[in-house]
Amino acid sequence: NAGVTQTPKFRILKIGQSMTLQCTQDMNHNYMYWYRQDPGMGLKLIYYSVGAGITDKGEVPNGYNVSRSTTEDFPLRLELAAPSQTSVYFCASSYSRGPEAFFGQGTRLTVV
Amino acid sequence: GNSVTQMEGPVTLSEEAFLTINCTYTATGYPSLFWYVQYPGEGLQLLLKATKADDKGSNKGFEATYRKETTSFHLEKGSVQVSDSAVYFCALREGGSEKLVFGKGTKLTVNP
Repeated sequence: NAGVTQTPKFRILKIGQSMTLQCTQDMNHNYMYWYRQDPGMGLKLIYYSVGAGITDKGEVPNGYNVSRSTTEDFPLRLELAAPSQTSVYFCASSYSRGPEAFFGQGTRLTVV
Repeated sequence: GNSVTQMEGPVTLSEEAFLTINCTYTATGYPSLFWYVQYPGEGLQLLLKATKADDKGSNKGFEATYRKETTSFHLEKGSVQVSDSAVYFCALREGGSEKLVFGKGTKLTVNP
């Protein structure tokens, strides 16, 4: 069981560079999420999607973009990286009627 | 809006000690409640859940009871082990909502 797979695991970006964090799930979940985790701050929701073609903003969407062209994939795009985006990013998925979410192992991003 | 407040960490215990991590919530409806655990370098895993008042979730010796009257979902374990060292997150999800709301996390260190 692969579950939720995120790539890359680690990345260092220079200020102003762009990158895409990949997330794919093989559980046929219709809900998918991106969170960022900052030390001592818990998890903050960046974007989420309730199905292919549908995305919506979470608490902290500025500086990020997402797309959901398939049920399986939910990439997160950083267009102009800033030091404030240094964080650990988690992708998660769930069934629409199931209350719990399943998480990937995270991407540790450093912007210098 | 919905929110989760959990006790500040870090918490340091000796092996076989009793553990309580407090969690209280604010919600407009009747949420499902969760405890997630994050071991070092890994993503979040569901530890236990409760979906209605007075339900008790349990797993790996951990327990938590959904108390609607006190809006609480405290995590307990009678005898902790070194392998329980991790960050514990309390979370809620309102019925019909797409979003999980997390507390800030409590870091537990268990010493031999």
